Amino acid sequence: DQQVKQNSPSLSVQEGRISILNCDYTNSMFDYFLWYKKYPAEGPTFLISISSIKDKNEDGRFTVFLNKSAKHLSLHIVPSQPGDSAVYFCAASDRGSTLGRLYFGRGTQLTVWP
Amino acid sequence: DTGVSQDPRHKITKRGQNVTFRCDPISEHNRLYWYRQTLGQGPEFLTYFQNEAQLEKSRLLSDRFSAERPKGSFSTLEIQRTEQGDSAMYLCASRGGGGQYFGPGTRLTVT
Repeated sequence: DQQVKQNSPSLSVQEGRISILNCDYTNSMFDYFLWYKKYPAEGPTFLISISSIKDKNEDGRFTVFLNKSAKHLSLHIVPSQPGDSAVYFCAASDRGSTLGRLYFGRGTQLTVWP
Repeated sequence: DTGVSQDPRHKITKRGQNVTFRCDPISEHNRLYWYRQTLGQGPEFLTYFQNEAQLEKSRLLSDRFSAERPKGSFSTLEIQRTEQGDSAMYLCASRGGGGQYFGPGTRLTVT
């Protein structure tokens, strides 16, 4: 039961352009969403998060947009840089739950070429 | 910067052997999680500790798996009688504020 879905396994973008990574979720109880970046043989690194009370959160080159009615979020990276090449995971949680576990998508491999 | 650390980083073992992994969370975080990641998948939740109490276990955690956090600080994950299907990256995360911060993981290969 995949409650968080990343339907694009890969994305290729030229350096300097915008990268848009998409994520859909099915559980309406999710109220906190995160994006992680992962290099091979390393653990996921936290990038940016958004609470369900907001529809946008920005941190430098990274912006996350949340559309609750569509149960969809996206991560925008502008401008994209070759060092951004990695696997990006979308994750969600229900902060009302005492557990607080994260549900992850399968990831999108971003490649930024010069 | 004392982030989450895990030891060992890599472990190769023969089927049927027991293995134990250690996780040291960020010191002020009282919540600790174990996840497992296999190729082509995102991390999947295994178990959760709040301080020393293990509050939740996934059905992925068969009876060959056991986890402890004896003093509410570091945690260990033991796999008994390893199987080839246990080959994966085992990730530990600790929680502070809203986010979970992951360690570098332990890559287990069962031959």
